[in-house]
Amino acid sequence: AQSVTQLGSHVSVSEGALVLLRCNYSSSVPPYLFWYVQYPNQGLQLLLKYTTGATLVKGINGFEAEFKKSETSFHLTKPSAHMSDAAEYFCAVSDRQTGANNLFFGTGTRLTVIP
Amino acid sequence: NAGVTQTPKFQVLKTGQSMTLQCAQDMNHEYMSWYRQDPGMGLRLIHYSVGAGITDQGEVPNGYNVSRSTTEDFPLRLLSAAPSQTSVYFCASSSYPGTYEQYFGPGTRLTVT
Repeated sequence: AQSVTQLGSHVSVSEGALVLLRCNYSSSVPPYLFWYVQYPNQGLQLLLKYTTGATLVKGINGFEAEFKKSETSFHLTKPSAHMSDAAEYFCAVSDRQTGANNLFFGTGTRLTVIP
Repeated sequence: NAGVTQTPKFQVLKTGQSMTLQCAQDMNHEYMSWYRQDPGMGLRLIHYSVGAGITDQGEVPNGYNVSRSTTEDFPLRLLSAAPSQTSVYFCASSSYPGTYEQYFGPGTRLTVT
């Protein structure tokens, strides 16, 4: 069965500091992995995804994530936080067993950026 | 190109009332889904569809019905609303089979009193 664990429901960083949001997954088949961002009172927007190929993937707004199979991790990073990065971030893993396009989501990490 | 649209944005229901949350997409996506978002629980899949006439249950289907008569529309029906159904509901769509990348609507905030 697929599942996602996001360590830390709240993360605070200073403006200009490194952002690191952690995601670990379990999957019985090679997964597709996603990070989504949700700004207040909005829907979810795709930040980046890993399907196959290069394990370091770059997304929008300067974010990137690295797929580490041995650690079953897909942590999200950004070298320098900006005030506009304050939002909630969700990691998701594909449910490839059903043959549908379903995703399993983590419980989310709320990022606060301190000026 | 509007993407995924949802109506209404906000709704208040009394216990026992029924209603339909509307979802439409204009990207010709075969796959559509409904999630509910509750604090500290992330998004949980309610129902999904991989094409017109095909629907299936997700993780939390009880109390909800869906149908898919066209590619564009995927309404979610609450049969008899309960306070436990107070939540934010998101509709999403993607190409199918594809790479699972889903596009989300803006959400419907539902309160059941």
